[in-house]
Amino acid sequence: EIVLTQSPGTLSLSPGERATLSCRASQSVSSSYLAWYRLKPGQAPRLLIYGASSRATGIPDRFSGSGSGTDFTLTISRLEPEDFAVYYCQQYAGSPLTFGGGTKVEIK
Amino acid sequence: QITLKESGPTLVKPTQTLTVTCTFSGFSLSTSEVGVGWIRQPPGKALEWLALIFWNDDKRYSPSLKSRLTITKDTSKNQVVLTMTNMDPVDTATYYCAHTKPNYDILTGYYYNCRFDYWGQGTLVTVSS
Repeated sequence: EIVLTQSPGTLSLSPGERATLSCRASQSVSSSYLAWYRLKPGQAPRLLIYGASSRATGIPDRFSGSGSGTDFTLTISRLEPEDFAVYYCQQYAGSPLTFGGGTKVEIK
Repeated sequence: QITLKESGPTLVKPTQTLTVTCTFSGFSLSTSEVGVGWIRQPPGKALEWLALIFWNDDKRYSPSLKSRLTITKDTSKNQVVLTMTNMDPVDTATYYCAHTKPNYDILTGYYYNCRFDYWGQGTLVTVSS
């Protein structure tokens, strides 16, 4: 099983600031099968990034993903009010599918 | 437009069996290389993948919960049902269903690329006596 470790656990930032979230895998994620999701209370989770760096349909370009192998990053260039939420990475290269522990982006 | 909605009981007793239903629109589970998965999130904790069912009725389960889970589909009703036996308070969680478009290797029987591109809003299930 591929274990994903996200850091930091909580990120305290102001609107307009840049957020950098990390996801580290216990073994290499083949084909960069790594996705990022945003979860907000009472809303359906939303796919942001797939294939480590491809934006999903309708996702604004302030979201970007990078990385390969075992180290991946989600960057939000300028935080909007709707971006204060919890973010999860997921690997879909191996079975079972696994998620990271999440990073909460909160308003400073 | 793809939409999914979960439904089921809000409260179950310990040892009971949970049945949650995912009703979807905008796609068909009889279309090749389409699947629906279940994922849960206990309060304050991380997401956990539970099960997947594919257009060809193939199924995959989380190894840690496999003995307790059954996933089925009703293509005519556009529904996927997950049952979980022997519920325990630690199973208290929001249960989500989600759509995926995997790639399928017919030679190996392996499903690739199972990211979840559309999700339902989830249904909170509490396990308590």
